[in-house]
Amino acid sequence: DAGITQSPRHKVTETGTPVTLRCHQTENHRYMYWYRQDPGHGLRLIHYSYGVKDTDKGEVSDGYSVSRSKTEDFLLTLESATSSQTSVYFCASRPGQSYEQYFGPGTRLTVT
Amino acid sequence: KQEVTQIPAALSVPEGENLVLNCSFTDSAIYNLQWFRQDPGKGLTSLLLIQSSQREQTSGRLNASLDKSSGRSTLYIAASQPGDSATYLCAVDTGTASKLTFGTGTRLQVTL
Repeated sequence: DAGITQSPRHKVTETGTPVTLRCHQTENHRYMYWYRQDPGHGLRLIHYSYGVKDTDKGEVSDGYSVSRSKTEDFLLTLESATSSQTSVYFCASRPGQSYEQYFGPGTRLTVT
Repeated sequence: KQEVTQIPAALSVPEGENLVLNCSFTDSAIYNLQWFRQDPGKGLTSLLLIQSSQREQTSGRLNASLDKSSGRSTLYIAASQPGDSATYLCAVDTGTASKLTFGTGTRLQVTL
């Protein structure tokens, strides 16, 4: 295991509230990613980071922001949660010299 | 825009059977292709990574092939076992920071 944890593992929140999901890795990996998984869509990239304070948008970034102040932590924030953001969120990381990505266990988010 | 398709969406086979899972992608300009396994309620586990210059990779009973020019990859599982039951996902890496584009997966059930 690459030592990737996500918190919380489950969350229920109301429409309009801000939500922050945390990804923590202990492998000193340079790259980190946030994906969402929805039925019929597979996994889609939200944002990624290629170093501390270096982030960029993925395919479905609207309504999400990220921050990476330390190598080990990558935070995903839903500015104002909507029902369309109900999903399972996965974090992944990889070292700079390898293409293989290691995934966390996921966070199931329900927006009511 | 890269699109990844996996056929079939679901497959049920008896134990001991050899099987092939298919993955196709629309843009042949890829850096690598990765196969993952996902158990229900869990994160993704990397199975095999094939570089764009390679034709195949093997790990135990698994063999993955890549035909970049035709936009196809196959995952061959030999002598299937009930423990192989899971969803298998393929993903293509188009190179920029290794952003992966995923297929929607093939759900495999191996019966006794």
